[in-house]
Amino acid sequence: DIQMTQSPSTLSASVGDRVTITCRASQSISTWLAWYQQKPGKAPKLLIYKASSLESGVPSRFSGSGSGTEFTLTISSLQADDFATYYCQEYNSYSGTFGQGTKVEIK
Amino acid sequence: EVQLLESGGGLVQPGGSLRLSCAASGFTFSSYAMSWVRQAPGKGLEWVSAISGSGGSTYYADSVKGRFTISRDNSKSTLYLQVDSLRAEDTAVYYCTKDCSRSNCDPWGQGTLVIVSS
Repeated sequence: DIQMTQSPSTLSASVGDRVTITCRASQSISTWLAWYQQKPGKAPKLLIYKASSLESGVPSRFSGSGSGTEFTLTISSLQADDFATYYCQEYNSYSGTFGQGTKVEIK
Repeated sequence: EVQLLESGGGLVQPGGSLRLSCAASGFTFSSYAMSWVRQAPGKGLEWVSAISGSGGSTYYADSVKGRFTISRDNSKSTLYLQVDSLRAEDTAVYYCTKDCSRSNCDPWGQGTLVIVSS
């Protein structure tokens, strides 16, 4: 099975900061990677698919990059609405393994 | 607009069973794989099971294989998850999501809570 490792687990940042979250796959997944945002008590929301494609309606301050085993999610200028937990997910296999999550907290 | 509405969760004793349902609307249900993803309290997301559009292919996480059964009724645009031999560690919010099998998961339902406790 493919393992997905996110870092950091928790990130403290201020409004306006540039934030980067990393996701590593245990084997190459090409660009079959998605990023999700989840707020407390809510279902996850798709942000990025195919590693770097922005889902319709998602603000352009979100961007994704990477291929193979190393991927990043970048928020160019953190907004108050962005404080949430972020998950990566590989979908190279039928069992789409998720990373353990990165909680973005207010500094 | 695509909508997914889960139901069927509740409190059940260890060893018990439940059938979760997910009513879908706003898209051609039979054309898409569907999946279940769960989230234990305070924990991350865990993919549980997926089924192809026709229902002919099913996939399970090792943690639920042999205990959970995914199925669908395309005439009713409804996805099911039969959960048997429940354990405390199955306590979670169970989300229904479109695709999520060799594809990203989008959108998600609001989830249904399963609590396994005596």
